[in-house]
Amino acid sequence: GAGVSQSPSNKVTEKGKDVELRCDPISGHTALYWYRQSLGQGLEFLIYFQGNSAPDKSGLPSDRFSAERTGGSVSTLTIQRTQQEDSAVYLCASSLADSFMNTEAFFGQGTRLTVV
Amino acid sequence: DAKTTQPPSMDCAEGRAANLPCNHSTISGNEYVYWYRQIHSQGPQYIIHGLKNNETNEMASLIITEDRKSSTLILPHATLRDTAVYYCIVRVAPYNNAGNMLTFGGGTRLMVKP
Repeated sequence: GAGVSQSPSNKVTEKGKDVELRCDPISGHTALYWYRQSLGQGLEFLIYFQGNSAPDKSGLPSDRFSAERTGGSVSTLTIQRTQQEDSAVYLCASSLADSFMNTEAFFGQGTRLTVV
Repeated sequence: DAKTTQPPSMDCAEGRAANLPCNHSTISGNEYVYWYRQIHSQGPQYIIHGLKNNETNEMASLIITEDRKSSTLILPHATLRDTAVYYCIVRVAPYNNAGNMLTFGGGTRLMVKP
């Protein structure tokens, strides 16, 4: 596709259930980022992938959050035992591998997660 | 990472130039200044970036001071569709395993008024 694709676009889940969010980056982009944005708040960094490895997981808010990326392409963000405070828009972005050239990141439209 | 400071909000009249300031006084020599914006209910959108020299593209101009401690994003003829939150970001050095992620601060909420 032409841009970063995220699915589902909206997800309503019951507290305590697990959810899986998917991100399809732009083809050829080796760097992939997950952020979340709570209502009226700024973007909070969660995790960054370079290829299939995640050198920086420092932003994951708890051990209920995990992410993986396979084949250097699709990434899934999993939230186990969801809590109401997990409600937010989860944004994915991708960019070309960064050498000494700086490249822009392209964001998807996000998945709006509502935990009830 | 260098931190950035931006005013929380600004107003601009439609058709006039919008000048959005950003302070990044602790920026290091190999860090770039990036600008993104986020229109309501959309993902962030890249605008422009620069290192030392002023930059211009079809969306905006970026003016970086000689000491690189501050910069200004200029939208030359603001339209109502430019109403958004504008983020000034200093990006960590390349090949830094701590991450090449973009760290977003609070941004400036620009309101373009008719």
